[in-house]
Amino acid sequence: DVKVTQSSRYLVKRTGEKVFLECVQDMDHENMFWYRQDPGLGLRLIYFSYDVKMKEKGDIPEGYSVSREKKERFSLILESASTNQTSMYLCASSFGAGWDYGYTFGSGTRLTVV
Amino acid sequence: QQQVKQSPQSLIVQKGGIPIINCAYENTAFDYFPWYQQFPGKGPALLIAIRPDVSEKKEGRFTISFNKSAKQFSLHIMDSQPGDSATYFCAALLPNDMRFGAGTRLTVKP
Repeated sequence: DVKVTQSSRYLVKRTGEKVFLECVQDMDHENMFWYRQDPGLGLRLIYFSYDVKMKEKGDIPEGYSVSREKKERFSLILESASTNQTSMYLCASSFGAGWDYGYTFGSGTRLTVV
Repeated sequence: QQQVKQSPQSLIVQKGGIPIINCAYENTAFDYFPWYQQFPGKGPALLIAIRPDVSEKKEGRFTISFNKSAKQFSLHIMDSQPGDSATYFCAALLPNDMRFGAGTRLTVKP
């Protein structure tokens, strides 16, 4: 089974801190994604990457950046954390275009910014 | 602008009932329509998916009905069980782009 592992389940950070959320997948997937999940809003795409060192903005990239130096690892960076970035963050990966290109999600990181 | 609209927001049924969750989409270029199931504290997991050239797909107690002309699709859960209590998300995909509905919190009462 594909595994997508997010390094932290819970994080508490202070306003203004730089925050790193790490995600690793073990199935050689080309595509990786970062979403945030908020009640009533579903999952909203922050950034995605379809190859090493490639990145594309999603719907809500403001206040975030990403890094993909290796195929298996995709990091989300909050440059200066703010309270409105308190959320559940979900990483996902997929093999790419094809008949069955469903995404595999990690278990999520619940970030609280105080 | 939300590209996939999901309803209802929450749903409560008795054990054995048939909850139905509906989704509608705008972009006719979407070509893959999965449903995800999410339990508390877990990431969403792929439950069942359909391509637009098929009107219905069934896997166990879960059925997707797809209406291409109406740009709508729905999830039916037959003989629902308390263990089906979870949040369900519909989604619509293009390569490298997936849009989610807002989610439906389903509670199945014993």
